[in-house]
Amino acid sequence: SQQGEEDPQALSIQEGENATMNCSYKTSINNLQWYRQNSGRGLVHLILIRSNEREKHSGRLRVTLDTSKKSSSLLITASRAADTASYFCADYNQGGKLIFGQGTELSVKP
Amino acid sequence: DAGVTQSPTHLIKTRGQQVTLRCSPKSGHDTVSWYQQALGQGPQFIFQYYEEEERQRGNFPDRFSGHQFPNYSSELNVNALLLGDSALYLCASSKPGLGQETQYFGPGTRLLVL
Repeated sequence: SQQGEEDPQALSIQEGENATMNCSYKTSINNLQWYRQNSGRGLVHLILIRSNEREKHSGRLRVTLDTSKKSSSLLITASRAADTASYFCADYNQGGKLIFGQGTELSVKP
Repeated sequence: DAGVTQSPTHLIKTRGQQVTLRCSPKSGHDTVSWYQQALGQGPQFIFQYYEEEERQRGNFPDRFSGHQFPNYSSELNVNALLLGDSALYLCASSKPGLGQETQYFGPGTRLLVL
């Protein structure tokens, strides 16, 4: 399967804690993206990291990319209840199709 | 600036029926992609339209077809509905580019097949 693999599948933390979720692919990573989805609604783009980048920041988000391991991590610092959502990684395969992971369901308790 | 819009928001159909879902891309975007998201899963790529033609297609049967209009809006048609077609259908648009650009998603259409 070309689907990205994410872990953990579910994560529950307290407000103020950091949340880390991981994503890996069996094929080489090109332009890896992270998306957030609230309660089964549309996806919101969070950050894109290109294959020649190793780390990228956006506000409380930090994304790392290890192309040798074909993996990426998303770190959310100082989490808030509003960060409760499902998080998906996605990358374009050789055929130019955007392939998503299964997602990590994050629950941040106030 | 309106984002990606989809209609309807919810739909209930019975097995064997046909359904048409609609999508209007974000202003300035000319490429529209459709995804199917089953409960608890990540979105699965159905196909992508550019310049009114299907440019890419995922692993979906011919019962799934689409169309793009000159104003870049798009339709997804599903014939002979099966129970397994129940899902959230997402439309995404992107700007002209090299094909690996950020996708902007609509709120989705939730389809229930009984």
